[in-house]
Parts: sequence; structure tokens; C-alpha cells
Amino acid sequence: QSALTQPPSASGSPGQSVTVSCTGTSSDVGGYNYVSWYQQHPGKAPKLMIYEVSKRPSGVPDRFSGSKSGNTASLTVSGLQAEDEADYYCSSYAGRNNPWVFGGGTKLTVL
Amino acid sequence: EVQLVESGGGLVQPGGSLRVSCTASGFTFSRYSMNWVRQAPGKGLEWISYISGSSNTIQYGDSVKGRFAISRDNAKNSLYLQMNSLRAEDTAVYYCARDYCTPDCAPGYWGQGTLVTVSS
Repeated sequence: QSALTQPPSASGSPGQSVTVSCTGTSSDVGGYNYVSWYQQHPGKAPKLMIYEVSKRPSGVPDRFSGSKSGNTASLTVSGLQAEDEADYYCSSYAGRNNPWVFGGGTKLTVL
Repeated sequence: EVQLVESGGGLVQPGGSLRVSCTASGFTFSRYSMNWVRQAPGKGLEWISYISGSSNTIQYGDSVKGRFAISRDNAKNSLYLQMNSLRAEDTAVYYCARDYCTPDCAPGYWGQGTLVTVSS
């Protein structure tokens, strides 16, 4: 059982927006502004898409955005494109003894 | 360009040992903390170990504590994971990941991974 809870699947049509949630506790998501999101295509390594809740690394399209409210973080993908179809994982800092916890992943399907 | 290349994976029998390595380039290795994250076949990501740039701070996930040991050689730009008492459930792709920021903010740069299979 993963430390953070994500829906197993999400979907949207090209051009639409989709939001993926990530629920933790006050010991991880709610306690720190160190939530990150990763995109993983089949057979590939994870790619950092969002860090520190809402910051985008250089080269990540601004169609990807992140937010947090209480113990729940969210990733929104706007203007869905075929290449956005992938697995998405959230992660959060969870304290010095167990720095990083991950969600179970959400499979995003572009219809 | 940040590059991380894992090596050393393979087939090992239950109870056996294996050391995987990660060679870094494109950045000042000693400035960044490093992590090992694994992914069992068809499953999600699992953080298993962290080491600070100076090796002063080391942490392990509960599933590997007491069996795995992380280390680094900053002179060789290399990260290691010594895995002992391996179990079938340790079968996974093992990724090394450099933190995106200093101080830490998230595992940001990932290698391509190396597959470790524990089976008789």
C-alpha cells in the first residue's frame, strides 16, 4: 500500500483538461511544500514535471500545473495531447527519517 | 547535461548479494544528495535510500533497512547500493536519482535504471 493515494486512472479527450489528485497526511503532503509530480512512459524512467507543489522544471510545458490544499495535492494537465498519455506519480517529502514517499500512480488515457 | 547511468543489475538467487552502481556526469556530484528508487514489474515507484552530498546523512526505507547499504565516492562521481539477503520481492528496476535542487526539493534527474531479478 502506497503512502500517498492517487486514483488508478484518469482520462480526457484531446484539448480538454484533466486533474489528478494525490492525498496524503499532515506528515507529508500537508506538512511540507515539497510535493512533486512525475510522468512515466512505458519502459522509460520517470520525468520530473512539477516540484515544490507548483514549480515547473525548464522544458516542461505550461500546460502542466500543480497545486495543494491541505493534505491533497493536484496535477492539472490542460489542452491534453496524445503524448500526455502516461503514468503519473506524485511524491512528497515526509521528514528526515523517510524523505520521499510516492503515490501508487495514475494512468492517464487520452481518448 | 546531467547524466546518470546505472549498472550492475542481473539475476541473483534468493539470499544472495549484488551491488549496483550509478555513474554521474554533467554536474558537480558532491553538491547533490542522491537517492535509489525502485519499481517492481508492473508496480509503482518506491523510494528505498537517500544519501547526502557529504555522506553525513543516510536513510533507508523500512523494506530494505538492515539489508541494503548506500554509499558514494565523490572522487569517482559514483553512487552505490549494496544489496544483501535478497528476496524475491526485491525484484525491480533500480533507479538512481539526483535531487533537482540544493538544498533538497525532489528527486529530479533519473537514470535509465538497472533490472535486478531475484529468483532461483
